[in-house]
Amino acid sequence: GALVYQYPRRTICKSGTSMRMECQAVGFQATSVAWYRQSPQKTFELIALSTVNSAIKYEQNFTQEKFPISHPNLSFSSMTVLNAYLEDRGLYLCGAREGGAGERLFFGHGTKLSVL
Amino acid sequence: GDSVTQTEGLVTLTKGLPVMLNCTYQTTYSPFLFWYVQHLNEAPKLLLKSSTDNKRTEHQGFYATLHKSSSSFHLQKSSVQLSDSALYFCALSPSSGSWQLIFGSGTQLTVMP
Repeated sequence: GALVYQYPRRTICKSGTSMRMECQAVGFQATSVAWYRQSPQKTFELIALSTVNSAIKYEQNFTQEKFPISHPNLSFSSMTVLNAYLEDRGLYLCGAREGGAGERLFFGHGTKLSVL
Repeated sequence: GDSVTQTEGLVTLTKGLPVMLNCTYQTTYSPFLFWYVQHLNEAPKLLLKSSTDNKRTEHQGFYATLHKSSSSFHLQKSSVQLSDSALYFCALSPSSGSWQLIFGSGTQLTVMP
């Protein structure tokens, strides 16, 4: 079956430092990857959409300078949170899919980021 | 712009009772609608999806019908179980060139014994 592995599951970093999270798609080709942040109130914020061989599109309030993303092939994507501060806390989820608008997103378990 | 509205933030029910979680959407395109379920400390998983008007879709006892006339895709189950306690998200994928998935705010369903 199709799965997305996301790691680490949890991470704690000091304020001002950076952390990287990774997603691995298994059993399908992740032509498109969406990175979300789920707030403590459980709402989803879309950070960026990435399609292999296309430019990564960032949503308003999120920038490449703060959340650089790499999507080098059809099975892997990573995102770094640079200079993390308290407002960056939350559960970061990657969702990947193969195909167009009607195809489901497969989500990883998420990376829970805590900032001290 | 495109949006999804879930009116209930929290629903608490006794086991065996029916449930309906509301979802309405707004888009100028012909939409794909999804319901995702997220159990505690788990990833969101697809429960249902539909793009066909007035056709009921079912999975694991849950069902929903996309009604384009009222822009709705309410999730229902005739008899909830304890294991149904989870966070439920309605999501919209406009069939435009952008494939992004737009989530509603979610509804926490808690089923009591």
